[in-house]
Amino acid sequence: DSGVTQTPKHLITATGQRVTLRCSPRSGDLSVYWYQQSLDQGLQFLIQYYNGEERAKGNILERFSAQQFPDLHSELNLSSLELGDSALYFCASSARILSSYNEQFFGPGTRLTVL
Amino acid sequence: GDSVTQMEGPVTLSEEAFLTINCTYTATGYPSLFWYVQYPGEGLQLLLKATKADDKGSNKGFEATYRKETTSFHLEKGSVQVSDSAVYFCALRGAQGGSEKLVFGKGTKLTVNP
Repeated sequence: DSGVTQTPKHLITATGQRVTLRCSPRSGDLSVYWYQQSLDQGLQFLIQYYNGEERAKGNILERFSAQQFPDLHSELNLSSLELGDSALYFCASSARILSSYNEQFFGPGTRLTVL
Repeated sequence: GDSVTQMEGPVTLSEEAFLTINCTYTATGYPSLFWYVQYPGEGLQLLLKATKADDKGSNKGFEATYRKETTSFHLEKGSVQVSDSAVYFCALRGAQGGSEKLVFGKGTKLTVNP
C-alpha cells in the first residue's frame, strides 16, 4: 500500500458527460501528479500541483482540469467525455520539490470507461 | 523533448531464466532514471533508481546501471520467479526546469512460467 488513495476505483459513463476523480496523497506529501494510462498512448503525465498551486502541465486536454485543495487532496475533472478518454488515471504524490531523491508514490488508479 | 524507448513485449520466460529488458532514453543533461513495476490490478511501484552516470540501482534481485555513453538503463535479473510476472516501465525525470514529471516508456509485460 503506497498510502495514496484514489476514488472511485471504477467509473462507467457516457460520452458527453462530466466526471470527477479524487486523490488523497500520502500524509505530508505536498506534490500531487496526475497520469493517464491508455493502450495507445501509454503512461502520460497530465498535470502537477504543489501545495495548492499548479506546478507543471503535460499533455492535458482543455476539457480536463484539476485542482488541489487546502487539505492537499486533488481532483481531476474530465468533461465532454469522448470514447478516447477511456483509460486508467493514476495519481501520485511526493514529499518535496527540487530534490534528487524525490520518489513518486502511485495510487491504485481509477479506471474510466466511456460508452 | 525527453523520451524513453523500451523493449516491447510481451516477454515470456521460464522460472530461473535470465531477464534483460532494454531501455534507452533521450534527454537534455543528466536525468534521473527509474524502473517501475505494475502488478496486475495495482498501481506502479518504484523498483529501482539511479540519479547519475554509472550509478547502479538494485532491488529484489533486479539491477540497472545508468550508462551515459549509450544513454541506456537496461533492467536485468539473474533468475526470475513466477512472482516477477508484471509490467515493467522505464522512466526518466528530466534535469531541466522545476518540473518533476516522469516520462515513461511503453512498458514491457513479463510472464514467468513455472
